[in-house]
Parts: sequence; structure tokens; C-alpha cells
Amino acid sequence: DTEVTQTPKHLVMGMTNKKSLKCEQHMGHRAMYWYKQKAKKPPELMFVYSYEKLSINESVPSRFSPECPNSSLLNLHLHALQPEDSALYLCASSPRQGHEQYFGPGTRLTVT
Amino acid sequence: GQSLEQPSEVTAVEGAIVQINCTYQTSGFYGLSWYQQHDGGAPTFLSYNALDGLEETGRFSSFLSRSDSYGYLLLQELQMKDSASYFCAVRTGRDDKIIFGKGTRLHILP
Repeated sequence: DTEVTQTPKHLVMGMTNKKSLKCEQHMGHRAMYWYKQKAKKPPELMFVYSYEKLSINESVPSRFSPECPNSSLLNLHLHALQPEDSALYLCASSPRQGHEQYFGPGTRLTVT
Repeated sequence: GQSLEQPSEVTAVEGAIVQINCTYQTSGFYGLSWYQQHDGGAPTFLSYNALDGLEETGRFSSFLSRSDSYGYLLLQELQMKDSASYFCAVRTGRDDKIIFGKGTRLHILP
């Protein structure tokens, strides 16, 4: 298995909802990432997990809460989001120190 | 601060060769990567240079000069499917983080 999978593909949620994004990889990669990407912009790093421990939090608002239940799974819990949080949320994994990252197809999130 | 500069758009003809440049100013440097992203898709890893010189992978090559803080991605025998955005990215420290450039939109003309 050489891919990163993400569910759901699309998500529409209201500002009072709670939802979760899921990411899975079975390549044995040691690091997993969450990125946010707006149209025509580069991916913007949110969180990094290394060996299942949160190693980087790029000062992300607390309405985004990451979780790494095991070495293959990564979740992003969403609560009380704002319309400006609408974006493509990408998960990635890396076998080495970040320079070779493999991205999932992303979840396109719309906050209404 | 950290900055990566790359052209916002490049246009080339099918079958030709195109070079996308990237210059960087970062607090540290541990390697330069390139990613391709088609509209509506996710970034795909293309190449990585940690040392000076040229790395070749099929039609794509990537070059790095650490003394000049400069690298480029070379695409040969361009095909219409190469129309995409290309991002350079720098690993700036011993952690797992990379910083992306703003991306170059490559347009291929028939």
C-alpha cells in the first residue's frame, strides 16, 4: 500500500458543528502532517506528528484539534469553525525528515 | 524571515524544455524539494536535493547550488499533462518541517 487516504472527500459544516477529518497511511512512515491550502496558494503547515507525538503546532487556533491514535492514523477534530476556515485540508506522511512527503487527496471543507 | 522566490507563471510549448527557478533565504538549509500539483489535486513529490548538483528522474531533473541559495526544476519533452503548479520547498531545520514557495503555474501550449 503506497498511498495516503483521507475521508471524507468533501465536507460542509455549520459554525456550531463538530466534525472530524481522517487520514491513514500504511507505508510505515514516521511523520504525519496536516496542511491547509487555499486556492492558488501553497500548502500551509498546521501540525506535525513524529513517532505518534505532536512535534509541531504552527500556532493553530484551538478550534482545530489533532489526534494521532497510532502510527497509521491521523485525525483532525473540528469545532466552532469560521467561514474563513473553508479550504482544502491535506494530510501527508514522510519516511524521513520531512523533505519527501506523500500527500493524500485532501478534504474540501466548506464552513457555512 | 524565511523566503522562497519562484516565478508565478511560466509558459512553454509542448515538446520543449522549461526551467523553473527557486531562490531561497532561510535561517537554515537541509535540502530543496519539488512538488507538482494539478488543479483540484494534491501535491505530488517530484525530487529532493541535499547536495550541490543535478538529480535526474526521467523527464524531470532538479539542480541545487547551495552557495548561490538557488535551485531549479528542469522539465524536458513537455507534455500537456505537465500543465500544473510546481512548488519548491526547503527543509530549514532538523525537525520535519518544510517551507513551500508560492508556486509556479506552468502553462503548456500545443
